Amino acid sequence: QSVLTQPPSASGTPGQRVTISCSGSSSNIGSNYVYWYQQLPGTAPKLLIYRNNQRPSGVPDRFSGSKSGTSASLAISGLRSEDEADYYCAAWDDSLSGPVVFGGGTKLTVL
Amino acid sequence: QVQLQESGPGLVKPSETLSLTCNVSGGSVSSDSYYWSWIRQPPGRGLEWIGYIYYTGSTNYNPSLKSRVTISIDTSKNQFSLKLSSVTAADTAVYYCARQLAAAAHFDYWGQGTLVTVSS
Repeated sequence: QSVLTQPPSASGTPGQRVTISCSGSSSNIGSNYVYWYQQLPGTAPKLLIYRNNQRPSGVPDRFSGSKSGTSASLAISGLRSEDEADYYCAAWDDSLSGPVVFGGGTKLTVL
Repeated sequence: QVQLQESGPGLVKPSETLSLTCNVSGGSVSSDSYYWSWIRQPPGRGLEWIGYIYYTGSTNYNPSLKSRVTISIDTSKNQFSLKLSSVTAADTAVYYCARQLAAAAHFDYWGQGTLVTVSS
């Protein structure tokens, strides 16, 4: 049981906009930054979004992050086949669960 | 460009100790800006943070694994290591080492991962 809650799956067609949610609590998302990771099949995770809504160099602006209260979202616009991957949210946690907690991951399928 | 590479046995017997090393190149484990972390992923499942070490030797571990985990650092070799004792089949996973920005869930460089299977 992950400390951060994500839907296990999401899907969309090419060109569509999809969002993936991440729900936490006051000790993690509510008081710390949220990070998003993309894991393509058979590869190591890659940092996709940092500090709630910042993109590392090289990450397309089709990917965006937001946070409100104890929840966060990752949005992917102009969906492409190469976006099919697992997505994980993560946050620092100030409680005994931490200090680093991940969501259970969301498998994104591009139909 | 920072690169991390895990190494160690791919097969460990139940009740024994899993030992892995992460060699870092293109950056220094003695940097005061980063933690050096271990993260694992059981087959078909999600990511689990194991713990991190700072260049001073200070550590922090996942509470669920704390009694069995030891992370150490060798600044002279620019590497850090993981030991997980009393392993069971539930510890079978791909183990990743990663560079972590201090006091954040910000992992900017990852190793390719190494599969460790616990089996007799």
